[in-house]
Amino acid sequence: GEDVEQSLFLSVREGDSSVINCTYTDSSSTYLYWYKQEPGAGLQLLTYIFSNMDMKQDQRLTVLLNKKDKHLSLRIADTQTGDSAIYFCAVNNNDMRFGAGTRLTVKP
Amino acid sequence: DTGVSQDPRHKITKRGQNVTFRCDPISEHNRLYWYRQTLGQGPEFLTYFQNEAQLEKSRLLSDRFSAERPKGSFSTLEIQRTEQGDSAMYLCASSSSIQGASYGYTFGSGTRLTVV
Repeated sequence: GEDVEQSLFLSVREGDSSVINCTYTDSSSTYLYWYKQEPGAGLQLLTYIFSNMDMKQDQRLTVLLNKKDKHLSLRIADTQTGDSAIYFCAVNNNDMRFGAGTRLTVKP
Repeated sequence: DTGVSQDPRHKITKRGQNVTFRCDPISEHNRLYWYRQTLGQGPEFLTYFQNEAQLEKSRLLSDRFSAERPKGSFSTLEIQRTEQGDSAMYLCASSSSIQGASYGYTFGSGTRLTVV
């Protein structure tokens, strides 16, 4: 949606780190999320960050939040071919608003 | 609980026909959402229920669209007089107001509608 913007494509080599970026407009968002969608499947919640945090780490995933710039990023360490999917940034106010998704391609 | 179930997975219909989709949320979840996703886009919010009450409707939800959740459990989304522009993936999600927003939404696999 127009409230949440992401770059559309990212290609990395297996073993490298991937960084997916997102910007949003509504500063009142209390939770921000990253979802993963594989072909033919629904969206799977990967991780979230509360708006009073600036970083959250969960195994290979690191979320960074810059509230001043309204910028959210997802870093995937040691990217694997199984990480190839579309990644959606989402912000939650009364309902959840999604970006258009970033298609991550991991090359062997 | 097997998660959020949607039926059918795929629906092909002729323009002008009516279609109805069903969503069975996670049983403990009191909130249910419908989203529409077109190719290359993220999900767009359509409507949401808390228990049986429809609390919010997007302006995307034209008069041809109606959603119900009569007993606060499963929900149906009906599209009347379908148009080619209705072709999309229709996603259902559920959540619990008790668990809190950190759990996000649990999505079903969606119903893919093709209007020919």
